[in-house]
Amino acid sequence: AQSVTQLGSHVSVSEGALVLLRCNYSSSVPPYLFWYVQYPNQGLQLLLKYTSAATLVKGINGFEAEFKKSETSFHLTKPSAHMSDAAEYFCAVTAGGTSYGKLTFGQGTILTVHP
Amino acid sequence: DTGVSQNPRHKITKRGQNVTFRCDPISEHNRLYWYRQTLGQGPEFLTYFQNEAQLEKSRLLSDRFSAERPKGSFSTLEIQRTEQGDSAMYLCASSIGRGMVTEAFFGQGTRLTVV
Repeated sequence: AQSVTQLGSHVSVSEGALVLLRCNYSSSVPPYLFWYVQYPNQGLQLLLKYTSAATLVKGINGFEAEFKKSETSFHLTKPSAHMSDAAEYFCAVTAGGTSYGKLTFGQGTILTVHP
Repeated sequence: DTGVSQNPRHKITKRGQNVTFRCDPISEHNRLYWYRQTLGQGPEFLTYFQNEAQLEKSRLLSDRFSAERPKGSFSTLEIQRTEQGDSAMYLCASSIGRGMVTEAFFGQGTRLTVV
């Protein structure tokens, strides 16, 4: 069984400030981890993915995430927030093999960026 | 590649009516997934297909729900005798599931409102 916990349903930052969105996972098998972004009334867009290669993963729009097995974490960061980053962010986990692509999502974190 | 397409984007129906949604996956993708997302929550897995075979169904998929993918291309999700609790965003995603399995790409969703 797999699960994801996103700490903080709302995060608010100033434009230019560091963005840190927290994600902890639970998995009985080696996990594959993803961050997706969702804009209002839209589907989900993949930001980045961890698939057991490098533990520091770089994604689109300047985002990156670090897989830390000892902490069961996969936090999302961006050095400098932009107004266009305001959206809802979802962390998700899946197992490999035939289950790959069947995602278990966290509750989401709404990111607000203030001018 | 036009991405995953879902129709309609919005559907308002009266309680007790049947509704059907359509999903057209990315053309070379043989895996297709359905998720449901209620307000303030992350998407929840409903079911998935590999080609025309429905390989897994969530317990969330009650007897009133049925999904098909008759020719391994597009898929339909039907809800019979809709209830107010069925109001949600229904998301479709697709991925490659042979050889190298890719991540899931999402459509923009169908928002169902049951009144």
